[in-house]
Amino acid sequence: NAGVMQNPRHLVRRRGQEARLRCSPMKGHSHVYWYRQLPEEGLKFMVYLQKENIIDESGMPKERFSAEFPKEGPSILRIQQVVRGDSAAYFCASSPGTRNTEAFFGQGTRLTVV
Amino acid sequence: GQQVMQIPQYQHVQEGEDFTTYCNSSTTLSNIQWYKQRPGGHPVFLIQLVKSGEVKKQKRLTFQFGEAKKNSSLHITATQTTDVGTYFCAGGLPDSWGKLQFGAGTQVVVTP
Repeated sequence: NAGVMQNPRHLVRRRGQEARLRCSPMKGHSHVYWYRQLPEEGLKFMVYLQKENIIDESGMPKERFSAEFPKEGPSILRIQQVVRGDSAAYFCASSPGTRNTEAFFGQGTRLTVV
Repeated sequence: GQQVMQIPQYQHVQEGEDFTTYCNSSTTLSNIQWYKQRPGGHPVFLIQLVKSGEVKKQKRLTFQFGEAKKNSSLHITATQTTDVGTYFCAGGLPDSWGKLQFGAGTQVVVTP
């Protein structure tokens, strides 16, 4: 059973470009969460999705950021017109979605904006 | 808004010593989870506590959930160099299925 797969592991973008981060949850998991981690800081919740639905996006910046989890394929976190402050590690986690279950994390995508 | 605070932010420990990291929530939690992240790695689940006053042990690690389900602690005895990393607590919110509110973490450095 493959774990949570994130790609790419490292992504370099110039200011103003778009960044697309992909996350394939564990088999059987229908709930996906995205977190952002700035250097030397903790994990900040961004968005919580089920298949084809955004459940909670209270941690998403209002502009330039969007997320989706289509019926088929991975979840995508999209950052438009990236700025230097977007440089961070972005972690995806998945769970079966029942209450009181652990989240399994992917290895993260480390985004660097130059 | 709901917040989970963790202290201390940094913990320097001599090998063989004990230490404790604390986690406090501004609101009642449905559960508390603990994760460990090695430098350059990703968070790895350690344990989950659900019941008020619950205590769980994993070898040298002891986890506690407060009676009011608002605070938790992780105590490590006889620290080893393999304990290096950042320990995060994450609170499950009663009104939000599956969403976890992470603390900022305690970064642990072990000196031989």
